[in-house]
Amino acid sequence: GAVVSQHPSWVICKSGTSVKIECRSLDFQATTMFWYRQFPKQSLMLMATSNEGSKATYEQGVEKDKFLINHASLTLSTLTVTSAHPEDSSFYICSARTDTNYGYTFGSGTRLTVV
Amino acid sequence: GENVEQHPSTLSVQEGDSAVIKCTYSDSASNYFPWYKQELGKRPQLIIDIRSNVGEKKDQRIAVTLNKTAKHFSLHITETQPEDSAVYFCAASKAGNEKLTFGTGTRLTIIP
Repeated sequence: GAVVSQHPSWVICKSGTSVKIECRSLDFQATTMFWYRQFPKQSLMLMATSNEGSKATYEQGVEKDKFLINHASLTLSTLTVTSAHPEDSSFYICSARTDTNYGYTFGSGTRLTVV
Repeated sequence: GENVEQHPSTLSVQEGDSAVIKCTYSDSASNYFPWYKQELGKRPQLIIDIRSNVGEKKDQRIAVTLNKTAKHFSLHITETQPEDSAVYFCAASKAGNEKLTFGTGTRLTIIP
């Protein structure tokens, strides 16, 4: 079946540094990738939608200059958390549409801890 | 935009009993309603989904019902087992706007 590989699975970084998270679709072309953030014991909140070759669309309240999204190819989308702060510590997860029947495949998630 | 509400936030049932989780949505144009099971630190796993052209769908012990008029849909798990313990999320999306809007989640605990 459709697989989205997400790396790293966890990362610890210092305040002020940047972290890049990658999502790759392994056996299909992901025209659209969705990026979610999930705080402990909360739901998945959509941060942005990225389309291959175009600028990402950010949800209200999400800083586009802080969360840089690049979708340069049909199989790779990246999220870079710039100048990370402890409040950015969260579970970040990507998701891609797999077919026209509304199938969605999720990456395995990245646990980001900013110290 | 779409708003999805989910109840209850926590649910405990005896093993073997049934569990029901309910969701309501606000956008009448939404036409795809998946349910996900998420274990701690893991990705959401699709357990069942329903599209707006049907009112009910069943897969073994799991069923989903949809009432388009009332804009609500429900997850039914029968003969619950300890491995059903997890957090369950409902979601909604619509054609032309592919993003999924998730409910707030239900922590289901099956008591042996």
